[in-house]
Amino acid sequence: EPEVTQTPSHQVTQMGQEVILRCVPISNHLYFYWYRQILGQKVEFLVSFYNNEISEKSEIFDDQFSVERPDGSNFTLKIRSTKLEDSAMYFCASSDWGHEQYFGPGTRLTVT
Amino acid sequence: AQSVAQPEDQVNVAEGNPLTVKCTYSVSGNPYLFWYVQYPNRGLQFLLKYITGDNLVKGSYGFEAEFNKSQTSFHLKKPSALVSDSALYFCAVRDSMFSGGYNKLIFGAGTRLAVHP
Repeated sequence: EPEVTQTPSHQVTQMGQEVILRCVPISNHLYFYWYRQILGQKVEFLVSFYNNEISEKSEIFDDQFSVERPDGSNFTLKIRSTKLEDSAMYFCASSDWGHEQYFGPGTRLTVT
Repeated sequence: AQSVAQPEDQVNVAEGNPLTVKCTYSVSGNPYLFWYVQYPNRGLQFLLKYITGDNLVKGSYGFEAEFNKSQTSFHLKKPSALVSDSALYFCAVRDSMFSGGYNKLIFGAGTRLAVHP
């Protein structure tokens, strides 16, 4: 069964450093998303992406964040200058014309 | 504004007993409702959805959910719980008022289900 994959599974970085989180969505899906889950808190929407542009973004997704689909398979989330409060589990998801979104296993980002 | 409430932080049930995990929602238009399950150190796994039609929807692993429009609820149920069902369960809603397949999911805070042998 096709699935969303994410790398790395765990990323440790120092405050102020740039990080890129990578995702490979399900191959025939058209819509892509990033969510995050701070430890012990609810899953929060960050951004959705369709047809090579951002469809919607949340208040969390400020100028420090960017997304890109550099080729036909990868979908990346970049945080330019990480802050302590960016420490969280980041989930990539994808969907087709249906309604359910399929999530990857997540990348745990630890900012020290 | 869209929102989802899961009133119970934790639900405890004995193996073999029926289980219910509660969810209520608030949206502007007609709701698209989802349940996801999260096992430790894993991503969110899709269980089932309600879009339209029968109020009782069946999903993976024997789970089902009942949509109740008047009570704005979408409770998750299973007739006979297994120890392996122990996990974190999230209810989510998407507002159908906005067209396009790219609409975000709004998640509840999650309910931890503990099934005891």
